[in-house]
Amino acid sequence: DVKVTQSSRYLVKRTGEKVFLECVQDMDHENMFWYRQDPGLGLRLIYFSYDVKMKEKGDIPEGYSVSREKKERFSLILESASTNQTSMYLCASSSPGTGQISGQPQHFGDGTRLSIL
Amino acid sequence: AQTVTQSQPEMSVQEAETVTLSCTYDTSESNYYLFWYKQPPSRQMILVIRQEAYKQQNATENRFSVNFQKAAKSFSLKISDSQLGDTAMYFCAFMKPLGGNTDKLIFGTGTRLQVFP
Repeated sequence: DVKVTQSSRYLVKRTGEKVFLECVQDMDHENMFWYRQDPGLGLRLIYFSYDVKMKEKGDIPEGYSVSREKKERFSLILESASTNQTSMYLCASSSPGTGQISGQPQHFGDGTRLSIL
Repeated sequence: AQTVTQSQPEMSVQEAETVTLSCTYDTSESNYYLFWYKQPPSRQMILVIRQEAYKQQNATENRFSVNFQKAAKSFSLKISDSQLGDTAMYFCAFMKPLGGNTDKLIFGTGTRLQVFP
């Protein structure tokens, strides 16, 4: 089974701090994703990466950055945490497909509930 | 832009009964995938079922089946013989290609399903 591990289930930080959320997958997947989940809004894509050192902006990248130095690890960075970044953060990974669209499902971690005080 | 709409924020069903969760989407793509994901209170998002738009046959996974109406852009999930363990948030998702073997999931806002004994 695919295992996507997020380093923390709960995290409390202060406004202005630099925050790192870590994600590791064990299935040699090329694609990795960071989402935030908010009630009534579903999941929204922050950033994704399709290869080591490659990153692409998702729908809500403002206030975030990412790092992918190794294939199995994808980090989300809050450069200067703000209260409106209090949320649930989900990491996911998937394998690439062939053809125009892969249809490969994304596999998710348990999520990190981040509170910014 | 693609959108996914889940019009039922909450639903409830009695154990052993059948329940249908609705999902509609909007796209101009001709080939795409649709997914239902389940997020139990333990939080890990789990794939329930996947449907390719080119396949006319509705996907089925044990007690879970879909009613895929491509012309109507409707993708409902039917859960038969509901069990207490089906209690969860259910997300409908549309997959669109981003190019280069990477796809993007667009999620609905979710339906919270409660199964009662």
